[in-house]
Amino acid sequence: KQEVTQIPAALSVPEGENLVLNCSFTDSAIYNLQWFRQDPGKGLTSLLLIQSSQREQTSGRLNASLDKSSGRSTLYIAASQPGDSATYLCAVTNLMNRDDKIIFGKGTRLHILP
Amino acid sequence: EAGVAQSPRYKIIEKRQSVAFWCNPISGHATLYWYQQILGQGPKLLIQFQNNGVVDDSQLPKDRFSAERLKGVDSTLKIQPAKLEDSAVYLCASSLGLYNEQFFGPGTRLTVL
Repeated sequence: KQEVTQIPAALSVPEGENLVLNCSFTDSAIYNLQWFRQDPGKGLTSLLLIQSSQREQTSGRLNASLDKSSGRSTLYIAASQPGDSATYLCAVTNLMNRDDKIIFGKGTRLHILP
Repeated sequence: EAGVAQSPRYKIIEKRQSVAFWCNPISGHATLYWYQQILGQGPKLLIQFQNNGVVDDSQLPKDRFSAERLKGVDSTLKIQPAKLEDSAVYLCASSLGLYNEQFFGPGTRLTVL
């Protein structure tokens, strides 16, 4: 059964710093991995989607990498801003011949200090 | 382009009552998902539709939860009867296809008293 873990559960960093959020998964038989942000009381906003054949994706100040063989993905945020404060979630889509098709981590709650 | 729409945004009911949630996906999106998110947890997939067919409902408590997607567009999720542990945010998402980027609606916050 696929398990997705995000460590740390919470993180506070001063504004302007670069930071890395981690996502690990136990079964490498995935189709893709997606990173989201969730603001309090809101739905999820898609940030980046990495297909299993890709190593990384970039959007603006965000860069997500995927190492399928080691079961790890990282989300790199450059030059952090107070508006980046949110909970960041990763989700893996497993190959379709299994019941647990989409599994989310519990998220990392990020606070950027002004 | 309009996003995923959900209603209602909030609902408070007593245990053993029934409740229904509605979702309108992004136009042209064939895949629709319902998730349950309990406070402090990541979303848990309840059911996934491809057009009007069910792709995965392995984590849907079928004794009390049901969902349908008539005509392959809008979808409703129903809980009958509700239990205290059903208190959560119910999120709807859609994507172009099975393996494409998911887009989420604002969610419905359900409180069961």
